[in-house]
Amino acid sequence: AQTVTQSQPEMSVQEAETVTLSCTYDTSESDYYLFWYKQPPSRQMILVIRQEAYKQQNATENRFSVNFQKAAKSFSLKISDSQLGDAAMYFCAYWEKGAQKLVFGQGTRLTINP
Amino acid sequence: DTEVTQTPKHLVMGMTNKKSLKCEQHMGHRAMYWYKQKAKKPPELMFVYSYEKLSINESVPSRFSPECPNSSLLNLHLHALQPEDSALYLCASSQRGLAGGSADTQYFGPGTRLTVL
Repeated sequence: AQTVTQSQPEMSVQEAETVTLSCTYDTSESDYYLFWYKQPPSRQMILVIRQEAYKQQNATENRFSVNFQKAAKSFSLKISDSQLGDAAMYFCAYWEKGAQKLVFGQGTRLTINP
Repeated sequence: DTEVTQTPKHLVMGMTNKKSLKCEQHMGHRAMYWYKQKAKKPPELMFVYSYEKLSINESVPSRFSPECPNSSLLNLHLHALQPEDSALYLCASSQRGLAGGSADTQYFGPGTRLTVL
């Protein structure tokens, strides 16, 4: 089974600064999908960004961008101009094609300091 | 509109009670999911319905019984739960059913916080 590793249980950043959350995964597949989800204290999981493995271009969504390194099996999330509303638990997830389910990392809790 | 709604928001039940969690989406999505999430942990998949048929059951105890009455509605019936079943229960939906292995984005509801006494 595929595994997803988020090596940073907690991170903090000053408001308006940039922060990068790391994620690595283990797979033997060549075609797959990766996601970053955000879960604020309100509990709802919100999609931040999605990346198809066959696309070489890194996905971006406004202040959120990824650094997708397929050979290194790395999928980090960069948040620019951090805002207080970005404070949340961030989960990296891999779509396991065979089992047809999302495999989540353990999460990184991000704190934004005003 | 990418909204998935869940009711109730909070539920407290005894071990002998029978209760149900409800999830609804009106986006025309054909796959619906139940997840269980313990505090400070990632969600764990429980069940997946694809085109209103149960497609995946992650070896969940029979005290949890899912039901998909129609394409917009997903229920989770609870009976004889244990205190260790206390958790946040999340529902999600995605546009296409589980066919071809393609990864549809899953849209999550706000969850039901369940406490079993």
